[in-house]
Amino acid sequence: NAGVMQNPRHLVRRRGQEARLRCSPMKGHSHVYWYRQLPEEGLKFMVYLQKENIIDESGMPKERFSAEFPKEGPSILRIQQVVRGDSAAYFCASSAKTVGAGELFFGEGSRLTVL
Amino acid sequence: SQQGEEDPQALSIQEGENATMNCSYKTSINNLQWYRQNSGRGLVHLILIRSNEREKHSGRLRVTLDTSKKSSSLLITASRAADTASYFCATDTGANSKLTFGKGITLSVRP
Repeated sequence: NAGVMQNPRHLVRRRGQEARLRCSPMKGHSHVYWYRQLPEEGLKFMVYLQKENIIDESGMPKERFSAEFPKEGPSILRIQQVVRGDSAAYFCASSAKTVGAGELFFGEGSRLTVL
Repeated sequence: SQQGEEDPQALSIQEGENATMNCSYKTSINNLQWYRQNSGRGLVHLILIRSNEREKHSGRLRVTLDTSKKSSSLLITASRAADTASYFCATDTGANSKLTFGKGITLSVRP
């Protein structure tokens, strides 16, 4: 049973380009969470999605960032017109039910470097 | 602001010793969880303790929760070099079903 799959693992972009990060949750999981981690820091919540719905996007910047979790296919975190401050590790996690009842399963992360 | 704050920020011990890490939080919670992260990897869930529980064990791990003090501790007994990692506490307030993580504790276990 494959775990949470994220790709790419490493991504290099120049300022102004777009970054697309993909996440396939564990089989049977319909809840997806995106977190951002800066070096030597904890994880900052960005967005929580269920299939085709954004449930909570309170941690995601209003501009340049968007997320989706379509009926078919992986969840996508999209960052437009990247800036150096977007350089970070982005982690996706999935769960079978809302967090209040269980644990999150994390992917290995996508490390974005903006030149 | 961070809901969970771990302490100490870094801990270095000898193999075989016990490691105790603490976490404090600010608001009421449904449950508190501990995760481990090896360098360059994703987080792995270790243990979950619910707000109505005071202590929980899993192998060499022991977690306590004191809701009156809004604090939790993670004890790793008989540590091994392979326990070297960062450890994070995460709180679930139940309000909007997301986990809020602390900044983590870096544990180094010397062989």
